Amino acid sequence: KQEVTQIPAALSVPEGENLVLNCSFTDSAIYNLQWFRQDPGKGLTSLLLIQSSQREQTSGRLNASLDKSSGRSTLYIAASQPGDSATYLCAVNSGYSTLTFGKGTMLLVSP
Amino acid sequence: DAGVTQSPTHLIKTRGQQVTLRCSPKSGHDTVSWYQQALGQGPQFIFQYYEEEERQRGNFPDRFSGHQFPNYSSELNVNALLLGDSALYLCASSLWEGSYGYTFGSGTRLTVV
Repeated sequence: KQEVTQIPAALSVPEGENLVLNCSFTDSAIYNLQWFRQDPGKGLTSLLLIQSSQREQTSGRLNASLDKSSGRSTLYIAASQPGDSATYLCAVNSGYSTLTFGKGTMLLVSP
Repeated sequence: DAGVTQSPTHLIKTRGQQVTLRCSPKSGHDTVSWYQQALGQGPQFIFQYYEEEERQRGNFPDRFSGHQFPNYSSELNVNALLLGDSALYLCASSLWEGSYGYTFGSGTRLTVV
């Protein structure tokens, strides 16, 4: 059974800092991994999708890496802004038609 | 290009009642999945529908049932509501097994009193 862990559970940083969110998973046999953002009480917004054959994906100030063999992914946010404040969720697609989520990292960026 | 649409956005029901939530997938997607998200937790997989049939099911009781229509839209039904069913219900659409990722809707907040 796939298990996903996200560290840290919460993070508070001043505006402008670069930061790294971590995601680990127990079963390395994955199709892909997806990072989502969730604002309070809202749905999930997809940020980046990394296929199992890829090492990293970039979108603007976001960069996600994947190390399948060690069961780890990181989301790097450059030059953080108050608008980046949200919960970030890592989801692993192991096939079987399901996503397994971590509990998320709650990020607060203060002006 | 419309994304995933869910209705209603909020719902309050009494314990023991039944509820139906609705989802329209992103244009071009043929697969719909439902997730339950309790406060402070990651979403938990309920089930997935493809070609109008339930393809996979998570660890949820039979009180949770669903349906997919020929136009790929879907319904989630929950019978005999319990207080513990209060949660955000998320619908996600995809192509086949999510090879190109999943697109989520804004969710339905269900409160059982």
